[in-house]
Amino acid sequence: AQSVTQPDIHITVSEGASLELRCNYSYGATPYLFWYVQSPGQGLQLLLKYFSGDTLVQGIKGFEAEFKRSQSSFNLRKPSVHWSDAAEYFCAVGSIIQGAQKLVFGQGTRLTINP
Amino acid sequence: DSGVTQTPKHLITATGQRVTLRCSPRSGDLSVYWYQQSLDQGLQFLIQYYNGEERAKGNILERFSAQQFPDLHSELNLSSLELGDSALYFCASSVDFGRAGTDTQYFGPGTRLTVL
Repeated sequence: AQSVTQPDIHITVSEGASLELRCNYSYGATPYLFWYVQSPGQGLQLLLKYFSGDTLVQGIKGFEAEFKRSQSSFNLRKPSVHWSDAAEYFCAVGSIIQGAQKLVFGQGTRLTINP
Repeated sequence: DSGVTQTPKHLITATGQRVTLRCSPRSGDLSVYWYQQSLDQGLQFLIQYYNGEERAKGNILERFSAQQFPDLHSELNLSSLELGDSALYFCASSVDFGRAGTDTQYFGPGTRLTVL
């Protein structure tokens, strides 16, 4: 069965530092991968997605992610974080069931930014 | 703002009661998805509707049901509520039903349900 693992439940970085959030997936076919961000009290906002082609994907707010099939990973990166990046980040894989798509989410990584 | 709206924002009710959550998809989107977010289960897919018809079911309890109306808004009905049903319920919408797997789902702000 398809699954997503985000190994880090909570990460703290200093403002201006670089960031990498890990995501590993398990899916038998070609994965469709997504990163969403959830700010406190807010819904899920799409940061970026990977369907095919260039394995380095650019998203909003300066985020990027790299798809590595050999490692079954889709890690999210940002070169310099801002205090407003504090939020919970979810990696998801889109799988087809009953001829339709559903998203399977990881448990999320909570990001705290130190001033 | 994703363009997906959900009402109400908060709902507090008692065990055994029934509630209805409402979702309006983005303009032009035909698919509506419902997800439940709880501390112990994380984000779980419940059910999907496309253009008024049920397309896929996930971990949805028999006490829960949903429908999508001709104007494409959707309602999630939760009955015989238990304490464990307390969660954040999200609605998402997309243009298609994801037949190719490349559909992008846009999420609403959620409805926080508290069962006392």
